[in-house]
Amino acid sequence: DSGVTQTPKHLITATGQRVTLRCSPRSGDLSVYWYQQSLDQGLQFLIQYYNGEERAKGNILERFSAQQFPDLHSELNLSSLELGDSALYFCASSFQGGPQETQYFGPGTRLLVL
Amino acid sequence: AQSVTQLDSQVPVFEEAPVELRCNYSSSVSVYLFWYVQYPNQGLQLLLKYLSGSTLVKGINGFEAEFNKSQTSFHLRKPSVHISDTAEYFCALIEPGTYKYIFGTGTRLKVLA
Repeated sequence: DSGVTQTPKHLITATGQRVTLRCSPRSGDLSVYWYQQSLDQGLQFLIQYYNGEERAKGNILERFSAQQFPDLHSELNLSSLELGDSALYFCASSFQGGPQETQYFGPGTRLLVL
Repeated sequence: AQSVTQLDSQVPVFEEAPVELRCNYSSSVSVYLFWYVQYPNQGLQLLLKYLSGSTLVKGINGFEAEFNKSQTSFHLRKPSVHISDTAEYFCALIEPGTYKYIFGTGTRLKVLA
């Protein structure tokens, strides 16, 4: 158990819909990362937050957005969903988000768009 | 642009045999390198990382990796594998001073009895 929690575990929705994925970092960690893992694109870094502020953006679509709240939990919002958005979405956390730090991954949210 | 290449998508190996999972990277600057393992239906877990210093890095579960700057490689090795090592292994890099991680496509290690 990494200490990172993600909800829900599974999500099934339809194209065009909007969903919110939630992540709670390990106790004491200030930085949260979001990743997408799909069969065709592999594991891709989406976005990183540190203490409520966006720090880095990766391959995140404009239809996707995220935020980190004062209690340090984070939410990833996916809108206008397409079939290709079906994937496993991971959240990870680290203490200060430095590039040399170990990231601790949650168990993921499996999203299926029908 | 930086990239990570894991040439082997699948590696079958018998139990107690040695294994090497290959990782090559491309970058014009020095990078930090990582190996992560993903067991079925779980998130990723860090095996080891190279930041600087000794080129031989030891990690958890008996794994080690060697950083080779001239060959831009960071291959993962284990002298004797167990059935429980069956998992997917990801090599990743990040450029110091940035925060964008780049992962390879992964190598599925299948340990056979």
